[in-house]
Amino acid sequence: DGGITQSPKYLFRKEGQNVTLSCEQNLNHDAMYWYRQDPGQGLRLIYYSQIVNDFQKGDIAEGYSVSREKKESFPLTVTSAQKNPTAFYLCASSSDSLSRYGYTFGSGTRLTVV
Amino acid sequence: AQTVTQSQPEMSVQEAETVTLSCTYDTSESNYYLFWYKQPPSRQMILVIRQEAYKQQNATENRFSVNFQKAAKSFSLKISDSQLGDTAMYFCAFMTRFVGSARQLTFGSGTQLTVLP
Repeated sequence: DGGITQSPKYLFRKEGQNVTLSCEQNLNHDAMYWYRQDPGQGLRLIYYSQIVNDFQKGDIAEGYSVSREKKESFPLTVTSAQKNPTAFYLCASSSDSLSRYGYTFGSGTRLTVV
Repeated sequence: AQTVTQSQPEMSVQEAETVTLSCTYDTSESNYYLFWYKQPPSRQMILVIRQEAYKQQNATENRFSVNFQKAAKSFSLKISDSQLGDTAMYFCAFMTRFVGSARQLTFGSGTQLTVLP
């Protein structure tokens, strides 16, 4: 079945460490997105990518980095520069020609700083 | 930049009753898409319904319907015959229809709906 796979489901990070969240899709979608979800704030866009080897900052990119070396993969690295990384992270994708139908979302990764 | 506002952080409804969730948005564009997403306790985002701004007819999907008021920039969701499985966080979202853009989804802050037995 086609879809988006995020891993791990839960992730714990010590302060000062970088961690990488995985996002893989087999939908042949061109565009991929990373959102952060905090209680009471909805979803906020971190980074997005429309094509391989290209990505753009979203509204809250500071302290995060991404890469898009393959169409199927869009990993997100939470760096030690991110002051408050504890949150729920959602990856999504869309086909450029079908984006009017919205996004397909992964099941998310819960990141906790310990 | 577009903004989406959901002014009801929490709502509750009795099973089998009808409930309406409010959403307003701000944009200078004339063509765009609007969405309602549902996020149950599993936290999986599920598309409930979508509306294309150039269509005057309100979208419906089974028990879910919208009241789209373009001039007022309002996009409310009505859930009829509420069921326990409708308990979830509901997000209103906006997407530009501008060709060549990244087609980003801008989300509201959400409304937590609880269906009471």
